[in-house]
Amino acid sequence: NAGVTQTPKFRVLKTGQSMTLLCAQDMNHEYMYWYRQDPGMGLRLIHYSVGEGTTAKGEVPDGYNVSRLKKQNFLLGLESAAPSQTSVYFCASNPPGTGDPNQPQHFGDGTRLSIL
Amino acid sequence: GQNIDQPTEMTATEGAIVQINCTYQTSGFNGLFWYQQHAGEAPTFLSYNVLDGLEEKGRFSSFLSRSKGYSYLLLKELQMKDSASYLCAGMDSNYQLIWGAGTKLIIKP
Repeated sequence: NAGVTQTPKFRVLKTGQSMTLLCAQDMNHEYMYWYRQDPGMGLRLIHYSVGEGTTAKGEVPDGYNVSRLKKQNFLLGLESAAPSQTSVYFCASNPPGTGDPNQPQHFGDGTRLSIL
Repeated sequence: GQNIDQPTEMTATEGAIVQINCTYQTSGFNGLFWYQQHAGEAPTFLSYNVLDGLEEKGRFSSFLSRSKGYSYLLLKELQMKDSASYLCAGMDSNYQLIWGAGTKLIIKP
């Protein structure tokens, strides 16, 4: 049982380059999330999705785009990477939150991204 | 605004008990989560409280007081493997999690 899988695990980019981070889950979860984690700060929500074909902005969406074409996959794109986007990115998923709020989020192992 | 406060770092001795406190302010409230995160790894779920009181799970217990906006995680019989960061997260009225910065727990022999 793989759970939540993120690729790649590490990446170094130059300022201005673009890239896509992939998240895949095999638990048939409806909800998926992208977070970033920076030293001294809590996890911050970038974008999330409540189902296939839907996406919504989180707390810090600027500079990122997402797509959820298939239920099991949630992609995070950086259009033009900036040094401020150097961070650890976590994907998470859980069953529907509304009406069933006590379902915990399951996290992938993270992608460590450095922008030079 | 929404905010989660927890201590940055705590130190405890192997075999002892430690209590990690968390205060929260959220727009609406749908529960309080605790996660454990070892260095370089993903957060993993520990506990969930939505009603006042204590929830016990083996060596770990979590307490919630909704009137005080306060929770704590209690770890008993500490083991070296408990060295990790402990993340407190409040769920708001939109079922979104608001995360604290985490408490780094250092266990000494």
